Amino acid sequence: GAVVSQHPSWVICKSGTSVKIECRSLDFQATTMFWYRQFPKQSLMLMATSNEGSKATYEQGVEKDKFLINHASLTLSTLTVTSAHPEDSSFYICSAIRTGPDTQYFGPGTRLTVL
Amino acid sequence: GIQVEQSPPDLILQEGANSTLRCNFSDSVNNLQWFHQNPWGQLINLFYIPSGTKQNGRLSATTVATERYSLLYISSSQTTDSGVYFCAVDGFGNEKLTFGTGTRLTIIP
Repeated sequence: GAVVSQHPSWVICKSGTSVKIECRSLDFQATTMFWYRQFPKQSLMLMATSNEGSKATYEQGVEKDKFLINHASLTLSTLTVTSAHPEDSSFYICSAIRTGPDTQYFGPGTRLTVL
Repeated sequence: GIQVEQSPPDLILQEGANSTLRCNFSDSVNNLQWFHQNPWGQLINLFYIPSGTKQNGRLSATTVATERYSLLYISSSQTTDSGVYFCAVDGFGNEKLTFGTGTRLTIIP
């Protein structure tokens, strides 16, 4: 089956620093990837759609200048949390679309803790 | 946007019991999926089921699209079934998933 990886799996950082999370489709190319955020004991909320070669599309209420998304290749999308604060602590999950038929595969998630 | 509600929010059962989880959605959808999120956070797709009934081992799912709900049945529960179950839907011409509120299932030995 299709595999999506995320790195790092967990990260702890100080308030004010920036953190980059990578999402890779290991055995297929993905023109579209999604980034989700999940707070403890809550559901997944879509943050943005990452499109290869173009700007990301952000959901309402998500600050694009705080959550920078780059989809530079067909197998890699990155999410950078800039000037992180404790309220940004969350579980971040990416997914990638494999076409033919379109199927969405999820990464294992990255747990971010901001002190 | 589409609203997706799941019930019950929490369910505690003895090993061997059967369970039914429900997912209600507020509008017509292109597709509906059921996921199991394990204790480490990994989402595992269980079913793609925009309509009809599917079965996979001890799990089965039924979606009645005209009435905007889906059911997930788990028979002969095992402790490894514990976790959170989500349904998620996407609209027509739109691959973005809207996740439901989730059901936290705990199976007691």
